[in-house]
Amino acid sequence: NAGVTQTPKFQVLKTGQSMTLQCAQDMNHNSMYWYRQDPGMGLRLIYYSASEGTTDKGEVPNGYNVSRLNKREFSLRLESAAPSQTSVYFCASTPTSAYSNQPQHFGDGTRLSIL
Amino acid sequence: AQKITQTQPGMFVQEKEAVTLDCTYDTSDPSYGLFWYKQPSSGEMIFLIYQGSYDQQNATEGRYSLNFQKARKSANLVISASQLGDSAMYFCAMRGYNAGGTSYGKLTFGQGTILTVHP
Repeated sequence: NAGVTQTPKFQVLKTGQSMTLQCAQDMNHNSMYWYRQDPGMGLRLIYYSASEGTTDKGEVPNGYNVSRLNKREFSLRLESAAPSQTSVYFCASTPTSAYSNQPQHFGDGTRLSIL
Repeated sequence: AQKITQTQPGMFVQEKEAVTLDCTYDTSDPSYGLFWYKQPSSGEMIFLIYQGSYDQQNATEGRYSLNFQKARKSANLVISASQLGDSAMYFCAMRGYNAGGTSYGKLTFGQGTILTVHP
């Protein structure tokens, strides 16, 4: 019962380095999301993919890019990491983006520190 | 635009007592859904309960119930018979839908409330 799997779980980067956060879900969900969680601010949406082949910006997209590789996988890339991107990153998925009572299912998060 | 406000940064409750976590929301969407998630110290996000804006009755899931007051735009979470394992951060979140029923499934989260259950 894997659900949503995120890798890596922890990462330390130096300013200016790049990296890709991986996310995969095995629930055949159509929609996938990337959030960041900062103290006192809840979770904020970075990018989302309503369905395979589509991606769109969320509330805080600057400094990030995404790729919906296939229905299962949705990756988040930091091209040139900055200390302000130190955060906990969550990937989530849901069966559909249409009207639904289905909740989003979350991965366990990636703790990212930028020095 | 949507906004979720959780005004209680921290709450304390005695074991076996009930506690209410506040959530108010603001949206111009004609329909919407409200969710509560629990985040224990281990960090994962656990879905607790859902309330749709057109649901006639307040949602309940075991010891969790949602006190939904649409006119006041509030969706408070009530936890009955608190347990030590209920100590966690709790998030209220909203998914809004436009007239065409489109939302892309996006959630807007509140800032969270840290609940501490005392033995």
